[in-house]
Amino acid sequence: GQNIDQPTEMTATEGAIVQINCTYQTSGFNGLFWYQQHAGEAPTFLSYNVLDGLEEKGRFSSFLSRSKGYSYLLLKELQMKDSASYLCAHMDSNYQLIWGAGTKLIIKP
Amino acid sequence: IAGITQAPTSQILAAGRRMTLRCTQDMRHNAMYWYRQDLGLGLRLIHYSNTAGTTGKGEVPDGYSVSRANTDDFPLTLASAVPSQTSVYFCASSPSGGSTGELFFGEGSRLTVL
Repeated sequence: GQNIDQPTEMTATEGAIVQINCTYQTSGFNGLFWYQQHAGEAPTFLSYNVLDGLEEKGRFSSFLSRSKGYSYLLLKELQMKDSASYLCAHMDSNYQLIWGAGTKLIIKP
Repeated sequence: IAGITQAPTSQILAAGRRMTLRCTQDMRHNAMYWYRQDLGLGLRLIHYSNTAGTTGKGEVPDGYSVSRANTDDFPLTLASAVPSQTSVYFCASSPSGGSTGELFFGEGSRLTVL
């Protein structure tokens, strides 16, 4: 079967670093995605990993280990505007996205 | 540039009524999708279309139907609404049938079925 897990909620301090983990189980794999969703808004694309390793994009980085079924999203120099839900999704063998329930990130001053 | 537009943004509906959620994109994307988002659950795919004239069932298709008469429009119809269909519905599109994974979402339609 297919499953994808991420923490429900995390809290971090403005200016700090936070790592949001995601684990998945799948019979077929075509990439791991992270999306950001502010409350009451649509999800927006953050990153895509299909090979093992770290992809850096400004303050945000995403890591993938296919052998461990594991990914994380790293947010540096946190800003209040980073308060949002972060959705992890993997693409299965049919090229459909399987979504986690999302991690609500709360940033405190 | 509008991107992807959904209507209505919010609707309260009596159980048993028929409802169509509209979705239009102006990016000439081939693939379009309908998801529902419920608290504590991930986005769940209802129906999808990889190109105009074709549609497919997603994870939770029961009680919903779609059509794709042209590239731009992808309406979602609830033939006879039930309270369990209370949710936020997102329409999304991608340039091709999911190969890149980057989806562009509409702003969502919040539907309440009483």
